[in-house]
Amino acid sequence: GAVVSQHPSRVICKSGTSVKIECRSLDFQATTMFWYRQFPKQSLMLMATSNEGSKATYEQGVEKDKFLINHASLTLSTLTVTSAHPEDSSFYICSARQAGAEQFFGPGTRLTVL
Amino acid sequence: AQKVTQAQTEISVVEKEDVTLDCVYETRDTTYYLFWYKQPPSGELVFLIRRNSFDEQNEISGRYSWNFQKSTSSFNFTITASQVVDSAVYFCALSEADTDKLIFGTGTRLQVFP
Repeated sequence: GAVVSQHPSRVICKSGTSVKIECRSLDFQATTMFWYRQFPKQSLMLMATSNEGSKATYEQGVEKDKFLINHASLTLSTLTVTSAHPEDSSFYICSARQAGAEQFFGPGTRLTVL
Repeated sequence: AQKVTQAQTEISVVEKEDVTLDCVYETRDTTYYLFWYKQPPSGELVFLIRRNSFDEQNEISGRYSWNFQKSTSSFNFTITASQVVDSAVYFCALSEADTDKLIFGTGTRLQVFP
């Protein structure tokens, strides 16, 4: 199956700093990438959908100025959590798909904001 | 609106028991896809199955089987002869044909004891 990687796998930062998470499709070109957030013992909630070369579409309630998404190439999307606060601590998961195909998920990034 | 309900929050079984995880969905679309994912303690989502709304055939893959019934809007998942390695959180998800968004259920935590 297709492989999606995320980096870093785990990050701890101080409140007020910005954190960048990378999502890469390793063996296919992803026309669309998705970012999800999962709080402990809860389900995955879609944050935004990004298509290569265009602006991301954010779900209701997700602040686009706080969660900056860039999908600069067909194999890379980045999520930047700006001015992170403890309530942003969560498990962030990306997925990637080719047109007409299913989503493949990355291994996730655990963010802890102190 | 789309919705996925997994009424069972946690299930505990002893090895070799059969276990069924329930999933009920809501959608107004006639064309949609249903999924099951496994999330082991490591956090990575493992794809198990995708089924489109026009294919109501039940599917069996090894110890796994799925029962799709449009009449009751259900897509249940059965593990036969469960093993300790099956312990994980299992998510059912829905995607409508005209969007790529995955709507996840709240998940069922399965614990298989030796």
